[in-house]
Amino acid sequence: DAKTTQPTSMDCAEGRAANLPCNHSTISGNEYVYWYRQIHSQGPQYIIHGLKNNETNEMASLIITEDRKSSTLILPHATLRDTAVYYCIVYSGGSNYKLTFGKGTLLTVNP
Amino acid sequence: ETGVTQTPRHLVMGMTNKKSLKCEQHLGHNAMYWYKQSAKKPLELMFVYNFKEQTENNSVPSRFSPECPNSSHLFLHLHTLQPEDSALYLCASSQDQREGREQFFGPGTRLTVL
Repeated sequence: DAKTTQPTSMDCAEGRAANLPCNHSTISGNEYVYWYRQIHSQGPQYIIHGLKNNETNEMASLIITEDRKSSTLILPHATLRDTAVYYCIVYSGGSNYKLTFGKGTLLTVNP
Repeated sequence: ETGVTQTPRHLVMGMTNKKSLKCEQHLGHNAMYWYKQSAKKPLELMFVYNFKEQTENNSVPSRFSPECPNSSHLFLHLHTLQPEDSALYLCASSQDQREGREQFFGPGTRLTVL
């Protein structure tokens, strides 16, 4: 599995964009980048995923560098409810279908 | 609301008790998962069922016994647990195990073993 590296914690002001980085320098060509988040004492929640192209949905945007060695999750207008641990996961599927959760980044959105 | 429910939400049990955790998904999915999340540790995958067949047992002790009677229900039977088994137990489901499938998680059962 490709490993991911994320900062342990980040702060963001309410209403501002939150940019969460992830390094995955050993990612293979067929591996996806997935983002989940876990609000305190709840189950993880899927946010977004991508392979090569940038992706956007109603929750967030995912920017993947051209060499695919890093990505950034963008929450365009962070709210207090976005305070959570954010996990960046490299997923290959096939015979290695597992989602391997690391320690993630604790994002704290401040009023 | 993710479409995955878990009961009970909280459970306290002694080491000699037998209890069961229940998970139900209303999403029409065919794969279901049990995860364990201990304090200050990442989620650990325990078991995977795909179309009711167990496809993964991640070296889980036999005091944890999963059961998947149909694609919508998943149980985790617990017996003679240890205090170190206290954790948040999460159930998840996905369309199936194939590549690129997102998983939907339940709220978890907070288990305390005394």
